[in-house]
Amino acid sequence: ELKVEQNPLFLSMQEGKNYTIYCNYSTTSDRLYWYRQDPGKSLESLFVLLSNGAVKQEGRLMASLDTKARLSTLHITAAVHDLSATYFCAVDDTETSGSRLTFGEGTQLTVNP
Amino acid sequence: EPEVTQTPSHQVTQMGQEVILRCVPISNHLYFYWYRQILGQKVEFLVSFYNNEISEKSEIFDDQFSVERPDGSNFTLKIRSTKLEDSAMYFCASRRGQGLGYTFGSGTRLTVV
Repeated sequence: ELKVEQNPLFLSMQEGKNYTIYCNYSTTSDRLYWYRQDPGKSLESLFVLLSNGAVKQEGRLMASLDTKARLSTLHITAAVHDLSATYFCAVDDTETSGSRLTFGEGTQLTVNP
Repeated sequence: EPEVTQTPSHQVTQMGQEVILRCVPISNHLYFYWYRQILGQKVEFLVSFYNNEISEKSEIFDDQFSVERPDGSNFTLKIRSTKLEDSAMYFCASRRGQGLGYTFGSGTRLTVV
């Protein structure tokens, strides 16, 4: 069974600081996704990482994928309050027939002024 | 930008009643999914659907659950006899092909009382 682990689960940081969220997974998948979720809302797609060494950046967020280490990171640069949300990584389980996403537990990020 | 549309946004039902959650996936997408998220927890896979049949289902998707694509546009999730523990946010998702990104709907919050 595919396992996806995120850490930390809770992150409180000050505006202007940098931090990294880690996502480890247990299968050989090379397809990993990052989503943002605001309270009571849907999942907003942030990044789609489809190969080893993939790096994508959007604003203050940068995501990378190392399939050999089975690790993805979401790096936050100079955090602002608007980034406060829950961030999920999800791995495409390519060993199943229909393919499906297995999500991590989520990292609840709070950015304090 | 194309969207996955879900209705209703919120449904309250009595335990033991049947509910149908509706989704309109993006029109040229071929793979369809239902996920659920119990309040404060991670997103869990329920079922995937391709070529008018279930591709895969999780252990959560027992005999009380069924899915249909009755008219080529709608994609429904039926829960025959709801239990208190079915209370959750249910997300529909679709994708055009394997290896491509998923688009999630805005969700239906189901409350069983």
